[in-house]
Amino acid sequence: KAGVTQTPRYLIKTRGQQVTLSCSPISGHRSVSWYQQTPGQGLQFLFEYFSETQRNKGNFPGRFSGRQFSNSRSEMNVSTLELGDSALYLCASSLDGSSNTEAFFGQGTRLTVV
Amino acid sequence: LAKTTQPISMDSYEGQEVNITCSHNNIATNDYITWYQQFPSQGPRFIIQGYKTKVTNEVASLFIPADRKSSTLSLPRVSLSDTAVYYCLVVGGYQKVTFGIGTKLQVIP
Repeated sequence: KAGVTQTPRYLIKTRGQQVTLSCSPISGHRSVSWYQQTPGQGLQFLFEYFSETQRNKGNFPGRFSGRQFSNSRSEMNVSTLELGDSALYLCASSLDGSSNTEAFFGQGTRLTVV
Repeated sequence: LAKTTQPISMDSYEGQEVNITCSHNNIATNDYITWYQQFPSQGPRFIIQGYKTKVTNEVASLFIPADRKSSTLSLPRVSLSDTAVYYCLVVGGYQKVTFGIGTKLQVIP
């Protein structure tokens, strides 16, 4: 079956701009989580969506937002980009987001803010 | 959320068994212990999960003592392709999943 698909794979934006990243989960998966990965910070949790509702949220400013559609596809948006937002953004899908179900990750979107 | 502590880095020679220990002193009753592997510029990949005692699959073994305050991921006979970052996660229910820094394993020829 098809894996988790993230688009675009690479993105270059200018400070102050906004960006939207997309994640298509594995068919049948209803939970989608987003992570930011930077050198030295590891994988940091952004938020999790389940059935179009944000169920969990990490400690990121309000410039980071997301949504999930009825087909479970998810988007995350970052407004007023800062240089420090340069990172690999990963999304993961799972059947229901519970702790005993496996999460499947996409290849990520590499965002560079200049 | 249970906090986990694991070594930042480890080196091992090819063909050796590697054991990575993770401490999680405040693990809750409904928490599961899960390990993921990540290669550079890729998303993490599930390796193994357990609740108590020992779990084994085709890739690794996971040892969990009775008090569940720690766990050990065992990789038998590592090869160069096992060079990666390994994350220990302790999560219960539908809590947010936090990965942390992980353990960078370097396999040496």
